Amino acid sequence: EIVLTQSPATLSVSPGETATLSCRASQTVSNYLAWYQQKPGQAPRLLIYGASARATGIPARFSGSGSGTEFTLTIGSLQSADFAVYYCHQYDSWPLTFGGGAKVEI
Amino acid sequence: EVQLVESGGGSVQPGGSLRLSCVVSGITFSNYAMSWVRQAPGKGLEGLSLISYNGDNTYYADSVKGRFTISRDNTKNTLYLQMNSLRAEDTALYYCVKMDGSDGYRDAFDIWGRGTMVTVSS
Repeated sequence: EIVLTQSPATLSVSPGETATLSCRASQTVSNYLAWYQQKPGQAPRLLIYGASARATGIPARFSGSGSGTEFTLTIGSLQSADFAVYYCHQYDSWPLTFGGGAKVEI
Repeated sequence: EVQLVESGGGSVQPGGSLRLSCVVSGITFSNYAMSWVRQAPGKGLEGLSLISYNGDNTYYADSVKGRFTISRDNTKNTLYLQMNSLRAEDTALYYCVKMDGSDGYRDAFDIWGRGTMVTVSS
């Protein structure tokens, strides 16, 4: 099973600043890596797939990068709606796995 | 608009069974693989099971293999999860999720339902 480790677990930022979240895989997942945003009481929402492609309707301030075992989600010019928990997810091999989540807070 | 609406959750005693359903609208259901993902209270996400567009291929996490069965009825645009031998650790919010492709697991989870809660307790 591929283990995904997210860091930091919690990131405190101010509106307008940039947030950078990391996800490290225990073995290569090529570019089969996605990022999801989850707000309290809501289902996760797909942000990024294929490590760097934005999902439909996702603003350009969300960007993903990386391949192999190291990935980054960057959220530029943070807005109030962006404070949430973010999960990375690998779909290179079964079982599909998620990182433990990273909370972006004010 | 794509909608995934889960139902069938509830409270059950350990060892009991439940059948979850997910009705999908707004897409050609039979074109897409589907999956179930769960989230225990206050915890992260766990991928449980996946079924190909035509039901020929299924995958299960070790935690549910042999106890849960995923299936679909493309004539009713409905995904199912039969859960047997339930344990306290199965307590979670269960999400129905549409895959971004038709077969296999090498696609992201692109559309999520709102989930149905399952509580296993004596």
